[in-house]
Amino acid sequence: SQKIEQNSEALNIQEGKTATLTCNYTNYSPAYLQWYRQDPGRGPVFLLLIRENEKEKRKERLKVTFDTTLKQSLFHITASQPADSATYLCALGASYGGSQGNLIFGKGTKLSVKP
Amino acid sequence: AAGVIQSPRHLIKEKRETATLKCYPIPRHDTVYWYQQGPGQDPQFLISFYEKMQSDKGSIPDRFSAQQFSDYHSELNMSSLELGDSALYFCASSLGRSGTGTEETQYFGPGTRLLVL
Repeated sequence: SQKIEQNSEALNIQEGKTATLTCNYTNYSPAYLQWYRQDPGRGPVFLLLIRENEKEKRKERLKVTFDTTLKQSLFHITASQPADSATYLCALGASYGGSQGNLIFGKGTKLSVKP
Repeated sequence: AAGVIQSPRHLIKEKRETATLKCYPIPRHDTVYWYQQGPGQDPQFLISFYEKMQSDKGSIPDRFSAQQFSDYHSELNMSSLELGDSALYFCASSLGRSGTGTEETQYFGPGTRLLVL
């Protein structure tokens, strides 16, 4: 069966450091992968999307890599801030555009950035 | 910018009652997805609609049904509620065929918190 694993349930780092979150998947060949941020009791907020033919994507302090051979994505937050503390969800999508594309989520990694 | 709107935000029901959750997608978005998130769990896909037609079905119980209307809003109808249905229900929308490379991005609403007693 399809399986998505995020490296740990919780990750604690010091402010200013780089946070690295891992998403591994098996028995799946996603066309794209997305990262979302979720705060308690709120809906997931889209951060970045990376397609199967892309190796790396950046947005401000965020960077995502996608290795379809390793079946792994890494999500980096550089110069982390306490405001980055949240749960980060990895989500895989089946296809491009159109009507398809329901997401399969990992269980998330709860990031805590200490001042 | 307009976001996805969900109503109600909170709902308390008794077992065996029915509930209707509403979702208003971002303007011009033609695709709606419903997800269920239990406490401490990841969101689980229930069902999706594109241009008012059901496009995909996930782990939605037979007691639940949904539809998308001509104005693209969607409703999730839940009958014979069980204690285990207590969860956050999210609606997400996307622009199915924008051709801009952003079709896959799903924008989530704030969720409806359903508590079944």
